[in-house]
Amino acid sequence: KAGVTQTPRYLIKTRGQQVTLSCSPISGHRSVSWYQQTPGQGLQFLFEYFSETQRNKGNFPGRFSGRQFSNSRSEMNVSTLELGDSALYLCASRTDQETQYFGPGTRLLVL
Amino acid sequence: KQEVTQIPAALSVPEGENLVLNCSFTDSAIYNLQWFRQDPGKGLTSLLLIQSSQREQTSGRLNASLDKSSGRSTLYIAASQPGDSATYLCAVLNTGNQFYFGTGTSLTVIP
Repeated sequence: KAGVTQTPRYLIKTRGQQVTLSCSPISGHRSVSWYQQTPGQGLQFLFEYFSETQRNKGNFPGRFSGRQFSNSRSEMNVSTLELGDSALYLCASRTDQETQYFGPGTRLLVL
Repeated sequence: KQEVTQIPAALSVPEGENLVLNCSFTDSAIYNLQWFRQDPGKGLTSLLLIQSSQREQTSGRLNASLDKSSGRSTLYIAASQPGDSATYLCAVLNTGNQFYFGTGTSLTVIP
């Protein structure tokens, strides 16, 4: 089975711009979760989608949003980028209540 | 709110030593606990998953235990190797179906 894939792998944006990241889960996995990882805050949960519905949401501002398509692929959007949004963004897929499988991440740099 | 703590934050050992990493969590209402490994700038790789009804899981040189009532888990690595150098994270899936991650233990195995 192919693993979780994320595109793009690297991204450079400037403050005020918006960005869209993509995640393709393992075939058959209906849950996709997004995380932000920074050296200072560690791994923080953004949100989880299950069967095209947001099931859980972390404590991030409304500039962070996501969606999931009928084929379980998910996108995450960040609007009005700030310097502090520079991070490694990870997505993970799973079947319910089982092992999470992570993608390689998208490294975002905001200048 | 679930809080997950990992001690120590960093650990350096000579090759061949056995070592123990610790993970504690505040809310025992969990479905499972998972240990991950993360190499620098990369995604997370699942090592072991322990269901809440289980006491331990083993995979090769790795053994993870779970004491749900006391809110503790340990990851035992036998005969450590330089290739084991990485950051190790534990995560609990609570009964609200949300994952909470610890801050990780950075392990260096010295040849």
